[in-house]
Amino acid sequence: AQSVTQLGSHVSVSEGALVLLRCNYSSSVPPYLFWYVQYPNQGLQLLLKYTSAATLVKGINGFEAEFKKSETSFHLTKPSAHMSDAAEYFCAVSEKNAGNMLTFGGGTRLMVKP
Amino acid sequence: EAEVAQSPRYKITEKSQAVAFWCDPISGHATLYWYRQILGQGPELLVQFQDESVVDDSQLPKDRFSAERLKGVDSTLKIQPAELGDSAMYLCASSFGRSNYEQYFGPGTRLTVT
Repeated sequence: AQSVTQLGSHVSVSEGALVLLRCNYSSSVPPYLFWYVQYPNQGLQLLLKYTSAATLVKGINGFEAEFKKSETSFHLTKPSAHMSDAAEYFCAVSEKNAGNMLTFGGGTRLMVKP
Repeated sequence: EAEVAQSPRYKITEKSQAVAFWCDPISGHATLYWYRQILGQGPELLVQFQDESVVDDSQLPKDRFSAERLKGVDSTLKIQPAELGDSAMYLCASSFGRSNYEQYFGPGTRLTVT
């Protein structure tokens, strides 16, 4: 069975500071990994995904994530936070050949201070 | 840009009443998903369709929830009777297929049961 743990339900950074959102996963087989962003009362938007190509994945809005198999991690980073980055972020895992079924973590709310 | 449509966006109902949600996926997407997102948590898959067939409904509370996708296009999720614990955001997503295809999410229906 697969699972996702997001450390820190709330993260606060200053505008212009580094954003680091943590995600650890467990999976019995090599997984696909995703980061989604959700703005209030909206659906989820895909930021980036890892599908066993390059371990450093670049996404939209300046975000990137690095797959580290030895640490079973897929942390999300952005060098410089913008006020518009304030949202809820979800890490998700999908096992290959498992019918595209996503298992989500509990989410991390990112707050950006001016 | 094509989007997943959902209606209504908000629904307030009394417990023991019936409620239904509608989803229209992106044209050409064969796979459709219904998720439930309780406030402060990540989405949880309720049911997955491939065309008009259910491929996974293991997390769907079948005593009160039902889902259909009769013509393999739009879908309806029903709850009867609604309970207080059903208050949540109900998200619909669609993808081109079931093998490593991106899931596109609709804006969701926020249900409040009083």
